Amino acid sequence: GAVVSQHPSWVICKSGTSVKIECRSLDFQATTMFWYRQFPKQSLMLMATSNEGSKATYEQGVEKDKFLINHASLTLSTLTVTSAHPEDSSFYICSAKRGQETQYFGPGTRLLVL
Amino acid sequence: AQKVTQAQTEISVVEKEDVTLDCVYETRDTTYYLFWYKQPPSGELVFLIRRNSFDEQNEISGRYSWNFQKSTSSFNFTITASQVVDSAVYFCALSGIWNSGNTPLVFGKGTRLSVIA
Repeated sequence: GAVVSQHPSWVICKSGTSVKIECRSLDFQATTMFWYRQFPKQSLMLMATSNEGSKATYEQGVEKDKFLINHASLTLSTLTVTSAHPEDSSFYICSAKRGQETQYFGPGTRLLVL
Repeated sequence: AQKVTQAQTEISVVEKEDVTLDCVYETRDTTYYLFWYKQPPSGELVFLIRRNSFDEQNEISGRYSWNFQKSTSSFNFTITASQVVDSAVYFCALSGIWNSGNTPLVFGKGTRLSVIA
């Protein structure tokens, strides 16, 4: 299967700081990338869909000004959690796909906001 | 709206037992994909299978098998001769098939499988 990486794998930060998470498709060009959030013992919830070179489409209830998504190239998308608060602590997972192909997921980033 | 229901929250089995994980879905799309993913304790989602709604043939891959029944909107997953390494959370997911490719996955709530030695 295709390889998707995420960096960092975990991050601890103080409340009020901003955190950037990178998602890269390593061996294919991803036309679409997705960002999900998963709270402990819960399912994955889609946050936003991004296509290279265009603005991300956010799901209802997800603040676009708080969760900034940039899809600068066909292999890189970034999620920036701005002014993070403890309630933003979660497991963030990205996925990437090329056209109609299967979505492949990154290993996830665990964010803990103190 | 699309919805995936995994009624089994947690299952425990003894090693070498067979276990079936249930998945029932709802969609108004006439064509769609169904998926199963495995999430071990490390957190990474591991792709197991993708099934096109046109293809109702059951599939077997080693100890894994999948039973797709369009008439009952179910896509069940069976592990035969379970092993401790099968312990994980298993997610069933659904997506539409759009030409644009912007088809996010709708996940079920997952079934936590514990295989006891």
